Amino acid sequence: NAGVTQTPKFRVLKTGQSMTLLCAQDMNHEYMYWYRQDPGMGLRLIHYSVGEGTTAKGEVPDGYNVSRLKKQNFLLGLESAAPSQTSVYFCASSSSTRGPTEAFFGQGTRLTVV
Amino acid sequence: AQSVTQLGSHVSVSEGALVLLRCNYSSSVPPYLFWYVQYPNQGLQLLLKYTSAATLVKGINGFEAEFKKSETSFHLTKPSAHMSDAAEYFCAVSDRGFQKLVFGTGTRLLVSP
Repeated sequence: NAGVTQTPKFRVLKTGQSMTLLCAQDMNHEYMYWYRQDPGMGLRLIHYSVGEGTTAKGEVPDGYNVSRLKKQNFLLGLESAAPSQTSVYFCASSSSTRGPTEAFFGQGTRLTVV
Repeated sequence: AQSVTQLGSHVSVSEGALVLLRCNYSSSVPPYLFWYVQYPNQGLQLLLKYTSAATLVKGINGFEAEFKKSETSFHLTKPSAHMSDAAEYFCAVSDRGFQKLVFGTGTRLLVSP
């Protein structure tokens, strides 16, 4: 049972380069999220999706774009990477059932922009 | 907007001692509350969640948390720390509509022998 899988696990980019982070979940969840984790700041929501074909901005969306063409996949894109985007990125998914449902997290992608 | 505050970025305890990690939320309506744990180089996993069925919530690995509306708190405790409890702990909140999680800044628990 894979759960939430993120690709790649590590990446080094030069300033101005672009890249796409892939998140895949096999739990048939409606909701998917991208967070970034920085020391002393916890996890901050970048973008999220409530279903296939939908996306919405979170707390820190600038410099990122996302797409949810398939229910199981949620892509995070950096069009022109900046050193401020050096971070650990986590994808998560959860079901849309009523009540406090658990979010399942991937292992993270450690991105360094030089 | 919902938010949580975690007091203390680091907490140090000895093995066998009581663990207390603090979390306060800001909301006029009791939200959904969660505690997640992150072990080194891993993603987050759920420890426990407040469902409003009971104010004292029991989670995995012997952890529990008590919801106190009067204090807007949801502190995490464990009677006796184990070395394997060393990790970073995050309190999180979501409203009762769409469950977009908002995390606290985290507390790193250090356990010494």
